[in-house]
Amino acid sequence: DVKVTQSSRYLVKRTGEKVFLECVQDMDHENMFWYRQDPGLGLRLIYFSYDVKMKEKGDIPEGYSVSREKKERFSLILESASTNQTSMYLCASSDWTPGSTDTQYFGPGTRLTVL
Amino acid sequence: GNSVTQMEGPVTLSEEAFLTINCTYTATGYPSLFWYVQYPGEGLQLLLKATKADDKGSNKGFEATYRKETTSFHLEKGSVQVSDSAVYFCALSGTSYGKLTFGQGTILTVHP
Repeated sequence: DVKVTQSSRYLVKRTGEKVFLECVQDMDHENMFWYRQDPGLGLRLIYFSYDVKMKEKGDIPEGYSVSREKKERFSLILESASTNQTSMYLCASSDWTPGSTDTQYFGPGTRLTVL
Repeated sequence: GNSVTQMEGPVTLSEEAFLTINCTYTATGYPSLFWYVQYPGEGLQLLLKATKADDKGSNKGFEATYRKETTSFHLEKGSVQVSDSAVYFCALSGTSYGKLTFGQGTILTVHP
């Protein structure tokens, strides 16, 4: 079974802190994604990565950055956390290639509260 | 751009009732369509998918048919159980790196 793990299930930080959310997948997938989940808005894509050191902005990248130094690990960084970044953060990975319809596999999520 | 619209929830049913959750989409090209489910305290997991028009995805008693003419992918189950209580997300995948566009999610609660 594909396993996607996230470093924390719950996290509480203060406004202005730098926050790191870590995600690790064990299936050698090329593609990794970070979403945030908010009630009534579904999941929105923040950033994704299609190869080591390669990244692209998603729909809501403002206030976030990412890092992918190794294939299995994809980090989401909040440079200066703000209260409007309080949310559930979900990481996913897939082995999508052109012409395929590969499934995305999700981690359990990190619920971040910024005070 | 791509978008997905799901019926508003929450949906509350009694056990053994019939379930329909509506999903319509707007997309360019020929997207693949998915239903994901999120059980309490967990991440999302794939429930079913369909990759082309008229395909029917099915799993665990749930079904959805890819209707290109109505741009819809409605989720159905003939007899729900308490264990089906969860949040259900409709999603589509375009052609770029398999990125998913999600609907807003529908909370389903099934009472005994």
